[in-house]
Amino acid sequence: GQQVMQIPQYQHVQEGEDFTTYCNSSTTLSNIQWYKQRPGGHPVFLIQLVKSGEVKKQKRLTFQFGEAKKNSSLHITATQTTDVGTYFCAGPGNTNAGKSTFGDGTTLTVKP
Amino acid sequence: DTGVSQDPRHKITKRGQNVTFRCDPISEHNRLYWYRQTLGQGPEFLTYFQNEAQLEKSRLLSDRFSAERPKGSFSTLEIQRTEQGDSAMYLCASSSAGSETQYFGPGTRLLVL
Repeated sequence: GQQVMQIPQYQHVQEGEDFTTYCNSSTTLSNIQWYKQRPGGHPVFLIQLVKSGEVKKQKRLTFQFGEAKKNSSLHITATQTTDVGTYFCAGPGNTNAGKSTFGDGTTLTVKP
Repeated sequence: DTGVSQDPRHKITKRGQNVTFRCDPISEHNRLYWYRQTLGQGPEFLTYFQNEAQLEKSRLLSDRFSAERPKGSFSTLEIQRTEQGDSAMYLCASSSAGSETQYFGPGTRLLVL
């Protein structure tokens, strides 16, 4: 079945440093989604990428979808303490049901 | 607040007991999902409803787990004869038809002693 893998598992940065998390799929994805989960919270949808090579930006966050649609990345410029949390990528399930297969996330901690 | 709600937020039970959780999705969403999340892991798909029909169930889900969505609105997830390995956060999410975006509820944290 489809697997989605994320690296690194943990990332500790000093406030102001950049951060990148990578997501790789064993199969080609029709789309990929990114979620953020704050400590003690629930996943919150950030963005969906659909097109090969797509790049989308949300303020300091830059999301990329690979040309082969098997990998994706999330880059945060000049991290802030509010960026703390776990970032998950998710691919669609094996059916068109809309369910998602989540990676195990990258947990970001930011030292002020 | 018109987001996804779940009840209870926390549940502590003894091994062997039955528990039931409730999820109220966003009102106009016809798709509802249940996920389970353990520490350090991403959400793991359990089951999915479109309106009142349960269309998919993870093969990881044992027969002790059952979910319903009788009127196509709220849903319940029941775990019978709980085991310590069932301890986890149970997340509910909903989405509208044709959209991949899922909106998650706050979750029910289950601890089986």
